[in-house]
Amino acid sequence: GQQVMQIPQYQHVQEGEDFTTYCNSSTTLSNIQWYKQRPGGHPVFLIQLVKSGEVKKQKRLTFQFGEAKKNSSLHITATQTTDVGTYFCAALYNFNKFYFGSGTKLNVKP
Amino acid sequence: DVKVTQSSRYLVKRTGEKVFLECVQDMDHENMFWYRQDPGLGLRLIYFSYDVKMKEKGDIPEGYSVSREKKERFSLILESASTNQTSMYLCASSLGGQGAIVPTDTQYFGPGTRLTVL
Repeated sequence: GQQVMQIPQYQHVQEGEDFTTYCNSSTTLSNIQWYKQRPGGHPVFLIQLVKSGEVKKQKRLTFQFGEAKKNSSLHITATQTTDVGTYFCAALYNFNKFYFGSGTKLNVKP
Repeated sequence: DVKVTQSSRYLVKRTGEKVFLECVQDMDHENMFWYRQDPGLGLRLIYFSYDVKMKEKGDIPEGYSVSREKKERFSLILESASTNQTSMYLCASSLGGQGAIVPTDTQYFGPGTRLTVL
């Protein structure tokens, strides 16, 4: 079935370093959402991307949707310890089926 | 603020027991979802409902059933719990409408229930 691949599975960075997680699909997506789950918490919606090539920013977070709408990335500039958690993409196919990626677990060393 | 609550944070059951997980949302959302979350596998959709008494299978419905008798409440039932159903169970809701999943909805998640089946 159509599923979205998310990489890397884990990322350990020093505080102040940048971080990027990627979601890739073999087929065109209708839209993609990003969620963050803090340790011991539940997923919380961050953003949604709909248009080809779309770029959105939230402070130090930059979200991109590929031109072909088959991939997306979340980039964090100058990570902080508050960024620790697991980041998930949720990809929508044909406007009626969606899948969550397996998540990227980010650990930030102070 | 949307509030999604789940009946238990932690639950321990024995193999073969019938297990009920309850989820309630207070924002009059049409759509409700049940996921399980396992390390390395992300969130996998078990069942969802886009209206009262309506349900649709997700990706891994085997061994589970659901009930939605009232709009605000969505129950997940394990008819005969097995050890491979040990997992974190997350409920979510989204605004929805028009009798179908509205795909651009934000999903609001509950705190989760960590179920252990011995």
